[in-house]
Amino acid sequence: EDQVTQSPEALRLQEGESSSLNCSYTVSGLRGLFWYRQDPGKGPEFLFTLYSAGEEKEKERLKATLTKKESFLHITAPKPEDSATYLCAVQAVKNYGGSQGNLIFGKGTKLSVKP
Amino acid sequence: DTEVTQTPKHLVMGMTNKKSLKCEQHMGHRAMYWYKQKAKKPPELMFVYSYEKLSINESVPSRFSPECPNSSLLNLHLHALQPEDSALYLCASSKQTRGQETQYFGPGTRLLVL
Repeated sequence: EDQVTQSPEALRLQEGESSSLNCSYTVSGLRGLFWYRQDPGKGPEFLFTLYSAGEEKEKERLKATLTKKESFLHITAPKPEDSATYLCAVQAVKNYGGSQGNLIFGKGTKLSVKP
Repeated sequence: DTEVTQTPKHLVMGMTNKKSLKCEQHMGHRAMYWYKQKAKKPPELMFVYSYEKLSINESVPSRFSPECPNSSLLNLHLHALQPEDSALYLCASSKQTRGQETQYFGPGTRLLVL
């Protein structure tokens, strides 16, 4: 069964304290791995898509990496405005059919950054 | 531009009411999705439309009725809902580009069923 597990469930950091969020996945064939940021009561905001092991992408203080079993979202020198829930999702090959690939979400990591 | 818009932002309805949620995108995406998200849970897929045709229905109760009038619009018609249907309803759209695909989400409609 395709599965996505995120850890930790919650993470509290001091401003400037770098850390990483983990997303472990088990899929029959990975089509793509996605990271989203979600603020309370709002829709998920797209951050990154990763497609193959070894791939890395960066955006401001965030850097996403991918291996064959997991992805990390590294946060460098976080600021309070980085506080949010970070969702990881995978799209499996078997669920991919043109433009209708289903996303399998993890439960998210709630990040709090204190000033 | 990666904007998906949803209306209304908030909706309160009784169990006997009929209401509709609306979603719109002008990115030329040919796949559109409805998700339901309960508090502190990840989004759960409800429906997928591909080229304006319903392609996936994740065993959603018939009190939820989706409609895709054209390639830019997606509606979700609500009738005889239950209090447990209260949730954030998210719309998303996606376009395949060189074999790569990303879903972009709207801001959601916060629904409260009394």
